[in-house]
Amino acid sequence: NAGVMQNPRHLVRRRGQEARLRCSPMKGHSHVYWYRQLPEEGLKFMVYLQKENIIDESGMPKERFSAEFPKEGPSILRIQQVVRGDSAAYFCASSPGTNNNEQFFGPGTRLTVL
Amino acid sequence: AQSVTQLGSHVSVSEGALVLLRCNYSSSVPPYLFWYVQYPNQGLQLLLKYTSAATLVKGINGFEAEFKKSETSFHLTKPSAHMSDAAEYFCAVSTGFQKLVFGTGTRLLVSP
Repeated sequence: NAGVMQNPRHLVRRRGQEARLRCSPMKGHSHVYWYRQLPEEGLKFMVYLQKENIIDESGMPKERFSAEFPKEGPSILRIQQVVRGDSAAYFCASSPGTNNNEQFFGPGTRLTVL
Repeated sequence: AQSVTQLGSHVSVSEGALVLLRCNYSSSVPPYLFWYVQYPNQGLQLLLKYTSAATLVKGINGFEAEFKKSETSFHLTKPSAHMSDAAEYFCAVSTGFQKLVFGTGTRLLVSP
């Protein structure tokens, strides 16, 4: 059973460009979470999605950031008009939706904004 | 709302010594508690989890943690450190189908 897959692993963008991060959950998992890890900090929750629905986006910045988890295909985290402060590691986690909420993490996408 | 406090951003031990990483949580409802390990430039790997069954939880790589409700703690221990244990360790709390709330992490350094 393949783990959570994220691509690309590394992404370099110039200020003002768009960044698109992809996450394929583990097989059979219908819950996806996105977290951001700034340098030398812990992980901060961004958004929680189920298929075609955003359940909790309380950690998402109000502007430039969006996420989706379509019926078919991977979950996408999109950052428009990136700024240097968006440079971070972005981790996706998936869960089967059992009550103990064990989440399985992908290897992350490291975004560098020049 | 839940929160996690990890005391000590860095912990140094000698190989073979006891490892103790501290985690205190705050939660208004019975929590689920997790310890994750992160090696450099990698994702997070689950070490162990507490889900209201046994209060002493055994995980991978010889780690274990004890849930103490009276102290709101979930400290991580390992009797004998190995060089390969050097990594960043994160404690996290959640309630049901919700986000994980992480502590700020503790970097474990192991010297020969």
